[in-house]
Amino acid sequence: EAGVAQSPRYKIIEKRQSVAFWCNPISGHATLYWYQQILGQGPKLLIQFQNNGVVDDSQLPKDRFSAERLKGVDSTLKIQPAKLEDSAVYLCASSPGSLVGEQFFGPGTRLTVL
Amino acid sequence: GENVEQHPSTLSVQEGDSAVIKCTYSDSASNYFPWYKQELGKRPQLIIDIRSNVGEKKDQRIAVTLNKTAKHFSLHITETQPEDSAVYFCAASREGGNKLTFGTGTQLKVEL
Repeated sequence: EAGVAQSPRYKIIEKRQSVAFWCNPISGHATLYWYQQILGQGPKLLIQFQNNGVVDDSQLPKDRFSAERLKGVDSTLKIQPAKLEDSAVYLCASSPGSLVGEQFFGPGTRLTVL
Repeated sequence: GENVEQHPSTLSVQEGDSAVIKCTYSDSASNYFPWYKQELGKRPQLIIDIRSNVGEKKDQRIAVTLNKTAKHFSLHITETQPEDSAVYFCAASREGGNKLTFGTGTQLKVEL
């Protein structure tokens, strides 16, 4: 089966600019996650969707980050405006449901904010 | 919320030796503990997981042990090979959302 797809793979922007990331989960997976992985650290959950509803966004900096999952399939994560500390790899993952179990990760988008 | 601590941050072993990575968690309601391997520039991939109703699980050269009372779990890799070199992350989750809290990672280097 096809894995989780993400684009772009790399993005370089100036601070205060905007950026958007796209994720296409594994077909049929109801749950989608966005993680931020800063260099040298473990992934940190930003937001979790169950179908097209938000399950957890407690760690999402809502003043600058937003995410949506239209029609319960693809998702986009946006940062506006970007800060230097947003430089990280943004990982998308999906799982069949919300019960505990394996999450399948995409290749990630490496964001550099100058 | 959940807090997961992981040690050591770096681990260097000779090929053929064993490697052990340890994690502790804070939320006694956590009941799912996966281990992910992340090679440089690649995505994290699940290598083994354990649920709270089991004390130990083994898959070929990899094993995980869980001590619920002490709230810690460990990854054991035997007969290490150069391809085991990677960053390993432990994580914890509880029923009701599959929200994973990751440890800070262990850079494992297997030397020839």
